Amino acid sequence: QKEVEQNSGPLSVPEGAIASLNCTYSDRGSQSFFWYRQYSGKSPELIMSIYSNGDKEDGRFTAQLNKASQYVSLLIRDSQPSDSATYLCAVNKGYIGFGNEKLTFGTGTRLTIIP
Amino acid sequence: GAVVSQHPSRVICKSGTSVKIECRSLDFQATTMFWYRQFPKKSLMLMATSNEGSKATYEQGVEKDKFLINHASLTLSTLTVTSAHPEDSSFYICSRRTSGSTDTQYFGPGTRLTVL
Repeated sequence: QKEVEQNSGPLSVPEGAIASLNCTYSDRGSQSFFWYRQYSGKSPELIMSIYSNGDKEDGRFTAQLNKASQYVSLLIRDSQPSDSATYLCAVNKGYIGFGNEKLTFGTGTRLTIIP
Repeated sequence: GAVVSQHPSRVICKSGTSVKIECRSLDFQATTMFWYRQFPKKSLMLMATSNEGSKATYEQGVEKDKFLINHASLTLSTLTVTSAHPEDSSFYICSRRTSGSTDTQYFGPGTRLTVL
């Protein structure tokens, strides 16, 4: 079982609709959860971080965390063509200063917004 | 604006040569920086954690003698790929934390290495 799993897609969503991206992780001790967006040929850009169960909203983006189910999701409302990218889920099961801090990434979900 | 820079952005070299990649934290003194590698259509894999003034911590399977990391100042970490071979061709990306107290990371723009 992979440490962080994502559906590779591609996921196609009409412009203006809600895009839903999912991620599961295997280590129950994981502490921090992140969503990054990566355009082709570019490095990842941080979208959101989430640390507690529940929802966290930032503009058109909502991250959802369910530690009991070991599940993280990202919702993108009012999808725009510029949202077309690969979305990476990342999990950290370590702590700063403990020498075990490590971001583990999923393989990413390729999202295409159809105009 | 960018908070982490990398240089060069792209490098092509011959097999057997060494390549140095610089990663700079532009607005924050970073005692810790991270080096990742991403092969085409694959995800990012942490190679090593770079610690200012001390030895880097390498992930399992990463050869420390091949990938030399130097973090000589609070704003600069370097990765040197020694005796590069075609299988080292990849996208190398560094990152640092957004602040000293959070584990959120900002990534540099990356360096694309092609070894002929």
